[in-house]
Amino acid sequence: GENVEQHPSTLSVQEGDSAVIKCTYSDSASNYFPWYKQELGKGPQLIIDIRSNVGEKKDQRIAVTLNKTAKHFSLHITETQPEDSAVYFCAASILKGNFNKFYFGSGTKLNVKP
Amino acid sequence: SQTIHQWPATLVQPVGSPLSLECTVEGTSNPNLYWYRQAAGRGLQLLFYSVGIGQISSEVPQNLSASRPQDRQFILSSKKLLLSDSGFYLCAWSQEDQPQHFGDGTRLSIL
Repeated sequence: GENVEQHPSTLSVQEGDSAVIKCTYSDSASNYFPWYKQELGKGPQLIIDIRSNVGEKKDQRIAVTLNKTAKHFSLHITETQPEDSAVYFCAASILKGNFNKFYFGSGTKLNVKP
Repeated sequence: SQTIHQWPATLVQPVGSPLSLECTVEGTSNPNLYWYRQAAGRGLQLLFYSVGIGQISSEVPQNLSASRPQDRQFILSSKKLLLSDSGFYLCAWSQEDQPQHFGDGTRLSIL
């Protein structure tokens, strides 16, 4: 089955700096890659996603890149703010019929220091 | 728009007691439904998923079971809780090639 690895497990940056979180996946059939932000005591919230036919996607301060050949995708947050502090999860999904199974990374705890 | 509700938000139960956690989705039909467990500071472990009423797939052998009595209702149950069942339980839904959307979870503590 699919295996998603995420690094680093913790990341501390100064406010205004950039943060990069990296994930790799093993199954070349994976075709959808969402990123989630989880704040303390809450469920993960989707922040950005990318499909396998796209190499990069940007939404304001957040961007995601995908390298299908290397089976690698990354989350980039620019001009970080204290409210960006949270746990971030990457995921890879394989669509089979009308059902998609999601495989999650182990999470990155991002701390943005004011 | 679609919404997902989980309850209760927190639950403290003694070892050996039964469990029932409920999840409902509104604003969509025939969603795929998922139950995850998240240990403190850890990732998401998929427990069960369902593609339709009465259809349950289990990902890991455990003390828990799931049921889907209605299209948009997903229930996580146990007859006798163990200490190791403590954790943060998350319900999620998705459709076709769309992302998963999570509820706000239930924090379960077993004493």
